Amino acid sequence: GESVGLHLPTLSVQEGDNSIINCAYSNSASDYFIWYKQESGKGPQFIIDIRSNMDKRQGQRVTVLLNKTVKHLSLQIAATQPGDSAVYFCAETGFQKLVFGTGTRLLVSP
Amino acid sequence: ETGVTQTPRHLVMGMTNKKSLKCEQHLGHNAMYWYKQSAKKPLELMFVYSLEERVENNSVPSRFSPECPNSSHLFLHLHTLQPEDSALYLCASTRAKSKNTGELFFGEGSRLTVL
Repeated sequence: GESVGLHLPTLSVQEGDNSIINCAYSNSASDYFIWYKQESGKGPQFIIDIRSNMDKRQGQRVTVLLNKTVKHLSLQIAATQPGDSAVYFCAETGFQKLVFGTGTRLLVSP
Repeated sequence: ETGVTQTPRHLVMGMTNKKSLKCEQHLGHNAMYWYKQSAKKPLELMFVYSLEERVENNSVPSRFSPECPNSSHLFLHLHTLQPEDSALYLCASTRAKSKNTGELFFGEGSRLTVL
């Protein structure tokens, strides 16, 4: 069955470092992926997305990489800031729904 | 402010109570969702409404009853819940497409505690 999972439940980094959050998916037919950020007490917020016809997409301080060969997705955050502390989810889209991974908690220390 | 408003933000209820969660979206979307978020578990899809028709009921117990009176409003009616139903209930909306869905816009969630 389809599943979306994350390799690490918690990632701790120092302020200013680059962060890499990983995600594995199992549905090779998936053609669209989204990264969400969820801060404490809030709902998930869209960060960046990528379609399966791309292998890299960049936003402001964030980059998403897609490796379809091994069904792997990653989110890179450059110069991580305390405000980046949150839980990050990858999501795989299907017909009229999103399938979410468990989430990785990013902790940024000064 | 995401354009999706959920009320109440916090709710405490006994197992014999009947309560409702409300969601309203101001984005002109035509599909709305209820997700359940428990600690250390992935977001679980509960219900999907597209064009006010329920298109998915993801094996949710009958003590949860959704209602979508129009494309801007979504309710989740709760009755005789169990303590394990305590969770954050998230509403989301999107503009439904013919194929796969796109980005979902989430509300802040309703934190439910069942005593």
